[in-house]
Amino acid sequence: GAVVSQHPSWVICKSGTSVKIECRSLDFQATTMFWYRQFPKQSLMLMATSNEGSKATYEQGVEKDKFLINHASLTLSTLTVTSAHPEDSSFYICSATPRVISGYTFGSGTRLTVV
Amino acid sequence: GNSVTQMEGPVTLSEEAFLTINCTYTATGYPSLFWYVQYPGEGLQLLLKATKADDKGSNKGFEATYRKETTSFHLEKGSVQVSDSAVYFCALSGRFGGGSQGNLIFGKGTKLSVKP
Repeated sequence: GAVVSQHPSWVICKSGTSVKIECRSLDFQATTMFWYRQFPKQSLMLMATSNEGSKATYEQGVEKDKFLINHASLTLSTLTVTSAHPEDSSFYICSATPRVISGYTFGSGTRLTVV
Repeated sequence: GNSVTQMEGPVTLSEEAFLTINCTYTATGYPSLFWYVQYPGEGLQLLLKATKADDKGSNKGFEATYRKETTSFHLEKGSVQVSDSAVYFCALSGRFGGGSQGNLIFGKGTKLSVKP
């Protein structure tokens, strides 16, 4: 089945630094990947849609310059949290699918803690 | 707009009890409906899905039926186990147009705790 690998699974960084999170589709090609953010005890909120070879589409209220998305190949999308602050601490999850009707496969998520 | 509403948790049950987690949705068109499960410390896993009205998704003893007339997709299991303790998310997907085609809209999640 479709497998999505996300790395790292957890990261602690200092305020002001940048963190890169990778999302890979291991056994299929994904022209589109999605990045979500989950606050404690809340649902996942879509941050952006990552499109291979073009600019990402961001949801309203998501800062494009803070959350940089690069989808350079059909199997890899990266999310970079720039100049991280404690309020960026959250659980970030990516997802992709070879076919919408099949359902989406999620990465295992990245727990980001900014100190 | 398009949305998903789930019953609020947490839900605490004894082992072998019957489980129902309600989910209703609002959407234009004909979305696909999903239930995802998130075990502690892990990412989301697809539990089951239904792509059209009257479809029943099932997996691991869980079932949910796509009810267009009541815009519902309630999750049920006849006999829960301790290992079912997790957070369950109802979600919908569809071709809503624009750059976000296919993205999922989630409910807030329902935490289930099953006691031995």
